[in-house]
Amino acid sequence: AQTVTQSQPEMSVQEAETVTLSCTYDTSESDYYLFWYKQPPSRQMILVIRQEAYKQQNATENRFSVNFQKAAKSFSLKISDSQLGDAAMYFCAYRHNQGGKLIFGQGTELSVKP
Amino acid sequence: DTAVSQTPKYLVTQMGNDKSIKCEQNLGHDTMYWYKQDSKKFLKIMFSYNNKELIINETVPNRFSPKSPDKAHLNLHINSLELGDSAVYFCASSQDVRWWDTQYFGPGTRLTVL
Repeated sequence: AQTVTQSQPEMSVQEAETVTLSCTYDTSESDYYLFWYKQPPSRQMILVIRQEAYKQQNATENRFSVNFQKAAKSFSLKISDSQLGDAAMYFCAYRHNQGGKLIFGQGTELSVKP
Repeated sequence: DTAVSQTPKYLVTQMGNDKSIKCEQNLGHDTMYWYKQDSKKFLKIMFSYNNKELIINETVPNRFSPKSPDKAHLNLHINSLELGDSAVYFCASSQDVRWWDTQYFGPGTRLTVL
């Protein structure tokens, strides 16, 4: 069965600095998608970025980028120029090609200090 | 317009009661999901429906019964509520079950069982 692990329950970053959130996963499949979702205190789940496993190029969305290492089964999220509004719980998620369900990691609580 | 909506946002009830949570999406998607987020914020799939047909049932107790009257709606009915059912329940939808389809989440329903 596929699993997703986020080993950092909490992280902290200074405003305007860069922070990297870690995620590893386990799967025997070759085709899948990986996602980072953000959950602010409002509890709304917001898609931050996604990565197709067959693409070697790392995905980027403005200040957010990923470091996808398929062989190592690693999928970290880098947030550049951190802003106060980035403070939230961040979830890494895996989606495989059977049924479409998302498998989530435990989450990393990010705080941003002014 | 809200893409995925849930009602109610908060639900407080007594043990043993029966309650329903409603979900509607106006994105024209074919697939809908229910996820449960526990007190430690861990998210896990419960059910998935594609074109009104059940495709995922993750060993959820049969006190939980999803109902999909049409593709735009997926309601969750819970019988004989227990203390352990207290959680946040998220509805989500995607274009299809294809693994590259992004899932969009509703705002969540916080259920508290007393």
